[in-house]
Amino acid sequence: AQTVTQSQPEMSVQEAETVTLSCTYDTSESDYYLFWYKQPPSRQMILVIRQEAYKQQNATENRFSVNFQKAAKSFSLKISDSQLGDAAMYFCAYRSAEYGNKLVFGAGTILRVKS
Amino acid sequence: DAGVIQSPRHEVTEMGQEVTLRCKPISGHNSLFWYRQTMMRGLELLIYFNNNVPIDDSGMPEDRFSAKMPNASFSTLKIQPSEPRDSAVYFCASSFSAYQETQYFGPGTRLLVL
Repeated sequence: AQTVTQSQPEMSVQEAETVTLSCTYDTSESDYYLFWYKQPPSRQMILVIRQEAYKQQNATENRFSVNFQKAAKSFSLKISDSQLGDAAMYFCAYRSAEYGNKLVFGAGTILRVKS
Repeated sequence: DAGVIQSPRHEVTEMGQEVTLRCKPISGHNSLFWYRQTMMRGLELLIYFNNNVPIDDSGMPEDRFSAKMPNASFSTLKIQPSEPRDSAVYFCASSFSAYQETQYFGPGTRLLVL
């Protein structure tokens, strides 16, 4: 079974600075998708960014980018120019491209942004 | 465009009572998912439907839980009888198809069973 590990329970960043959240996963599959979701205090789950495993190019969405290392099974999220609104719980998630449609989530990382 | 709609947003009930959570997926989406979030277990999939048919219910914790999708625009998750350990946030999510990679989440229902 696939597992997703987020080793940083909590991170802090100064406003306007850059922060990187770590995620590793375990799978024997070659084709899959990876996601980062943001959960602010409202509890809404918001998609931040997604990466297809067959793509070598790292996904980017405005201030959010990933460092996808397939061989190392690593999928980190970099937030540039951090803003107060980025403060939230961030979840890394895995989905197989072949077997079912279940999202497997990591435990989450709380990101605090200091002004 | 309306996102995934869930009701109620908050529910407080007493142990032994029946609880029904409701979800309206994004129009045009054919797959619907129910997740539960707790401090102890994090986010876990309970069940998902494709074209109104349950595909994987292996995450449903026990017989007290049941889910239905009578049509493409409505689903329910029922707990009967409810227990304090069912207290959690329940999310509904939908995607365009079973194999479309992105699932869009509703705002969740916070359930407290006393």
